[in-house]
Amino acid sequence: SQQGEEDPQALSIQEGENATMNCSYKTSINNLQWYRQNSGRGLVHLILIRSNEREKHSGRLRVTLDTSKKSSSLLITASRAADTASYFCATGDFGNEKLTFGTGTRLTIIP
Amino acid sequence: DTAVSQTPKYLVTQMGNDKSIKCEQNLGHDTMYWYKQDSKKFLKIMFSYNNKELIINETVPNRFSPKSPDKAHLNLHINSLELGDSAVYFCASSHAQTGGSGYTFGSGTRLTVV
Repeated sequence: SQQGEEDPQALSIQEGENATMNCSYKTSINNLQWYRQNSGRGLVHLILIRSNEREKHSGRLRVTLDTSKKSSSLLITASRAADTASYFCATGDFGNEKLTFGTGTRLTIIP
Repeated sequence: DTAVSQTPKYLVTQMGNDKSIKCEQNLGHDTMYWYKQDSKKFLKIMFSYNNKELIINETVPNRFSPKSPDKAHLNLHINSLELGDSAVYFCASSHAQTGGSGYTFGSGTRLTVV
């Protein structure tokens, strides 16, 4: 079963605006990761946040994690056409490297 | 240099056939995975190997048999293919360490069973 549910399922914004995607999960986690998938391609790792961290930044990406609410958000600032892709959250278990993926958000940046 | 490479990229075959997908990584990672992505983009883990040993085997029909000849290779053999096996299969690798790490994915193999 899917661990993560992402919201929204699809998002369209104008280039230059910020995009926010949310992820909720069900069980305790070791870490949460975000991936990008361009159409017809493999997934690319964007950022990892550990269960004892609350916020992390990488370039135009900002990730937050609220373990009490079992939720995470991914913010992409100053969006570009090249950001058009599907974005997946994935939760990592304790004790092994297994990742369980969410349902994904399809992001479209309108030039 | 491709970090995780899968072959073939596309595979069209008839029901009942047997096929294999190969995966190789040159990252020095010790853990490799097979994931299946269905038509709704759901990604589900199938198998995981650490240093050639099977460590995760989700509920997958035994028609699917992974083989890891060394820690840089993880192949997937599928017997008696069925229509429902049509999907994109992704290989991935990671370096197992305390606290988890990111995966590096291959570009996928689109399997179509007709």
